[in-house]
Amino acid sequence: SQQGEEDPQALSIQEGENATMNCSYKTSINNLQWYRQNSGRGLVHLILIRSNEREKHSGRLRVTLDTSKKSSSLLITASRAADTASYFCATVGKAAGNKLTFGGGTRVLVKP
Amino acid sequence: KAGVTQTPRYLIKTRGQQVTLSCSPISGHRSVSWYQQTPGQGLQFLFEYFSETQRNKGNFPGRFSGRQFSNSRSEMNVSTLELGDSALYLCASSLLAGGQGGEQFFGPGTRLTVL
Repeated sequence: SQQGEEDPQALSIQEGENATMNCSYKTSINNLQWYRQNSGRGLVHLILIRSNEREKHSGRLRVTLDTSKKSSSLLITASRAADTASYFCATVGKAAGNKLTFGGGTRVLVKP
Repeated sequence: KAGVTQTPRYLIKTRGQQVTLSCSPISGHRSVSWYQQTPGQGLQFLFEYFSETQRNKGNFPGRFSGRQFSNSRSEMNVSTLELGDSALYLCASSLLAGGQGGEQFFGPGTRLTVL
């Protein structure tokens, strides 16, 4: 079963625009991670945010975490065609047996 | 450093057969996790091995098994294949054991098709 649920399931934007996707989860977590996957290939780790952190930045990525609402968001600023991919949130927490549990993903299409 | 490698990349089998997939982690990584990805169920955790011991297991039937060798390379085996086992099987390695929640590095996956 999936811990995280992502919203929206798909997103289509123009190059240069910002892309925002959200992740909600059910049980308490130690940390939340975001991954990117290009067309059915392996996943690439983007960013990890711990349960005691509220916001984290990495290049054009900004991640927020609201543990009271059990939700996180990933913002990609100034998107590029190369950002076209599926983005997954994944949580690690004791209730889920301390294994990485993935959400359903958001498919992002950046049109040039 | 070389990344995580998985062999074979593509595999076609028929129902009832068995299959073995291989994963070589990044040098120095002792944790290897396996995931199954399908359009219907998404990414699901199969199991994790750390220092040759299975540390964690997902909700999959006993037909799915794995092991890890002393050099941290891991194999997973699926016996009595079913059509529903068709999926992308991903392996990931990390420095820390899964419970410590570190970044995982994924291989390109093995695409298994069961006919």
